[in-house]
Amino acid sequence: DAGVTQSPTHLIKTRGQQVTLRCSPKSGHDTVSWYQQALGQGPQFIFQYYEEEERQRGNFPDRFSGHQFPNYSSELNVNALLLGDSALYLCASSLTGGPEDIQYFGAGTRLSVL
Amino acid sequence: SQQGEEDPQALSIQEGENATMNCSYKTSINNLQWYRQNSGRGLVHLILIRSNEREKHSGRLRVTLDTSKKSSSLLITASRAADTASYFCATESGGSNYKLTFGKGTLLTVNP
Repeated sequence: DAGVTQSPTHLIKTRGQQVTLRCSPKSGHDTVSWYQQALGQGPQFIFQYYEEEERQRGNFPDRFSGHQFPNYSSELNVNALLLGDSALYLCASSLTGGPEDIQYFGAGTRLSVL
Repeated sequence: SQQGEEDPQALSIQEGENATMNCSYKTSINNLQWYRQNSGRGLVHLILIRSNEREKHSGRLRVTLDTSKKSSSLLITASRAADTASYFCATESGGSNYKLTFGKGTLLTVNP
């Protein structure tokens, strides 16, 4: 049973560029959440997708956008990259209405903006 | 913004000792969860305690929740070197499977 998978593992971009990160949820899950974790900090919620729509959004600018596909996989897009966007980006999946309120995390994508 | 605050920020103990980490939060919650993170990689779920529960056990882990004080503690008994990691508390408010709000974490080092 595959867990949450994220790609790529590492990414280096320059300021002003755009980036797309990808996430495949755990088998049987239908909800995907994205978090940003700066060095030395706890993860911060970016947004959550369910039924191909953004269900919740954290305090992040519109440069951060996402998408969920019919197979429940998801993408996180960040436009006009800033140095401060350098972080570990974590994807988590869960089953809305399921028996447990647990989000399962992937290993993350480490983004470095130069 | 961070909801929870873990205390202490860092903890160093010897193998075999117990480790206690505390978490405080600000708003009402549905549940509180503890996660472990090794070397800045993915988060591993450890235990979930609901707002109507006061204590929960899972193997060497014991979690308590005091909603009147808006605080929780995680106890790891008989620690091992493999327990070395960062530990985060996360609260869930609103509906089920909604966003998690994390604290800044406690870095636990278990020395062999």
